[in-house]
Amino acid sequence: DAMVIQNPRYQVTQFGKPVTLSCSQTLNHNVMYWYQQKSSQAPKLLFHYYDKDFNNEADTPDNFQSRRPNTSFCFLDIRSPGLGDTAMYLCATSSGRGREEGYTFGSGTRLTVV
Amino acid sequence: AQSVTQLGSHVSVSEGALVLLRCNYSSSVPPYLFWYVQYPNQGLQLLLKYTTGATLVKGINGFEAEFKKSETSFHLTKPSAHMSDAAEYFCAVTNNNAGNMLTFGGGTRLMVKP
Repeated sequence: DAMVIQNPRYQVTQFGKPVTLSCSQTLNHNVMYWYQQKSSQAPKLLFHYYDKDFNNEADTPDNFQSRRPNTSFCFLDIRSPGLGDTAMYLCATSSGRGREEGYTFGSGTRLTVV
Repeated sequence: AQSVTQLGSHVSVSEGALVLLRCNYSSSVPPYLFWYVQYPNQGLQLLLKYTTGATLVKGINGFEAEFKKSETSFHLTKPSAHMSDAAEYFCAVTNNNAGNMLTFGGGTRLMVKP
């Protein structure tokens, strides 16, 4: 089945220790998104790639970076995680801008910073 | 500009009772509207969507929603709640304007009592 896969499902990292979260998709969608979702809150868009074009949200901290080496994979790098970065991180994809189809989400990576 | 308001961060119903989750949106152009469901420690799953055409849309798991332009609403309903419906529900909006990402409401946690 075509899908969006995130690894790992759970990640614990130490304060200040760099961490990378992974997302892959078999949908061949142009656009890939990274969302941060804190407890009992709505998902908040961090950035997205339209093909190779990177689009950062204005309020995304510099501590968060992303890479998209090819159509199928996208990575979220947190350079120096703080306790406030503990959250669920959701990857999503869409074809084109996905306005009519909506987005397809992965199962998320729950990150805990200790 | 676009936004979504979900009235009631928590809704509790008895098993077998009607489920009604409220969503109001604002959009300067015709909207595309979505309902997503999120189970604990999972990603978001698309329940249903409205883009154009029939204003009453049916989705998975017996849910449906009606787009009411005059009321700027897209409320989610299900005639008879099941225990497995307990989850977080997010309403979201986008439109056909370039660069407009999916905007989420704050979410409603549905609890189902036996």
